[in-house]
Amino acid sequence: LAKTTQPISMDSYEGQEVNITCSHNNIATNDYITWYQQFPSQGPRFIIQGYKTKVTNEVASLFIPADRKSSTLSLPRVSLSDTAVYYCRPWGAGSYQLTFGKGTKLSVIP
Amino acid sequence: DSGVTQTPKHLITATGQRVTLRCSPRSGDLSVYWYQQSLDQGLQFLIQYYNGEERAKGNILERFSAQQFPDLHSELNLSSLELGDSALYFCASSVAGATTDTQYFGPGTRLTVL
Repeated sequence: LAKTTQPISMDSYEGQEVNITCSHNNIATNDYITWYQQFPSQGPRFIIQGYKTKVTNEVASLFIPADRKSSTLSLPRVSLSDTAVYYCRPWGAGSYQLTFGKGTKLSVIP
Repeated sequence: DSGVTQTPKHLITATGQRVTLRCSPRSGDLSVYWYQQSLDQGLQFLIQYYNGEERAKGNILERFSAQQFPDLHSELNLSSLELGDSALYFCASSVAGATTDTQYFGPGTRLTVL
């Protein structure tokens, strides 16, 4: 079963670009990679999803190399409100038994 | 506000008891997912329903069961509760239950088993 690994925590100053990398060495062929943001005492919130190469939306970019064993979430010009826990998760039939990791706690410093 | 509602917000009960958690999906969403988030286990997928039928199963214990009703709301039943079942339980919904669907999470139910 696939397993994900992310840094436990990261600090960044306001206005900087933040890149969070997740490894998912055994991701199943048909599974997608999804990233979520979670604030304390709230449910996770979808940020972005991709299968391979690069995906960009209004809040983030997601980079996935050809081997799909990792992915990198890029948050441009973070603000204090981006302080949260960020999770990556493979999603699809190959990942239903997988527990999300503990995520990466991002702290944005003024 | 995701549009997904969960009740109750908090639940305190004793070991051995049975509880029911309720979820109402976003208007128009046909698929409901249940997740458990505990301090030591992270967030794990339990089960998915689509239009009343079970669609996918994750790490759901035999003591737990769920169903989705004709009005599309869902209930998660937890029985023979143990201390280790204390966790946040989230419900999410999506339009059609496809792998690429965006899942919208509710605010969660915090279960404490004493």
